[in-house]
Amino acid sequence: ETGVTQTPRHLVMGMTNKKSLKCEQHLGHNAMYWYKQSAKKPLELMFVYSLEERVENNSVPSRFSPECPNSSHLFLHLHTLQPEDSALYLCASSQDSGTSGSHEQYFGPGTRLTVT
Amino acid sequence: GQNIDQPTEMTATEGAIVQINCTYQTSGFNGLFWYQQHAGEAPTFLSYNVLDGLEEKGRFSSFLSRSKGYSYLLLKELQMKDSASYLCAVSSSNTGKLIFGQGTTLQVKP
Repeated sequence: ETGVTQTPRHLVMGMTNKKSLKCEQHLGHNAMYWYKQSAKKPLELMFVYSLEERVENNSVPSRFSPECPNSSHLFLHLHTLQPEDSALYLCASSQDSGTSGSHEQYFGPGTRLTVT
Repeated sequence: GQNIDQPTEMTATEGAIVQINCTYQTSGFNGLFWYQQHAGEAPTFLSYNVLDGLEEKGRFSSFLSRSKGYSYLLLKELQMKDSASYLCAVSSSNTGKLIFGQGTTLQVKP
């Protein structure tokens, strides 16, 4: 596997379910990100992890809970979601999250989430 | 507040040149990125500008004016495969936070 992978690619869940999204990067990067992409809206940053520590939490509801067990893996735990949470959830990684060197972000293919 | 504006849609002809503009107002500035996103796919990195001026990379060039809060992406010799959304994003801090514009959907016609 190369680049950034995400599983599952598609997920349908009820409002009372609990599910998790998984992201894995094979690039040796130190920073990982969760984004939400809704139709007709800009990509919206949710969380940033640098060296497994959360450095940014963009006022995301507590029904979304991130976990970063190591620099290669990132999870997004979901519980009691609402229909308006239906969106494409993208994971990204970069060499680092700071100003030194190149820090362009590499995106995974995303998980298309539908909440019924 | 923080705001990034770019046109919603553009249409151009195969073989032509198109310029996609982006204006921004952010509390900090740590560089500006352009990404390309084909329908149903992940965004892919195109360019990064942190100093004023033009960065050229093959058929794609990106320009930045920090004093004007303005950037553009220039696509030359358009090909059908260039039909995609082009996302302008500003890094406003040193935490890796990117603020994205809504994206410009470019349609290239024969």
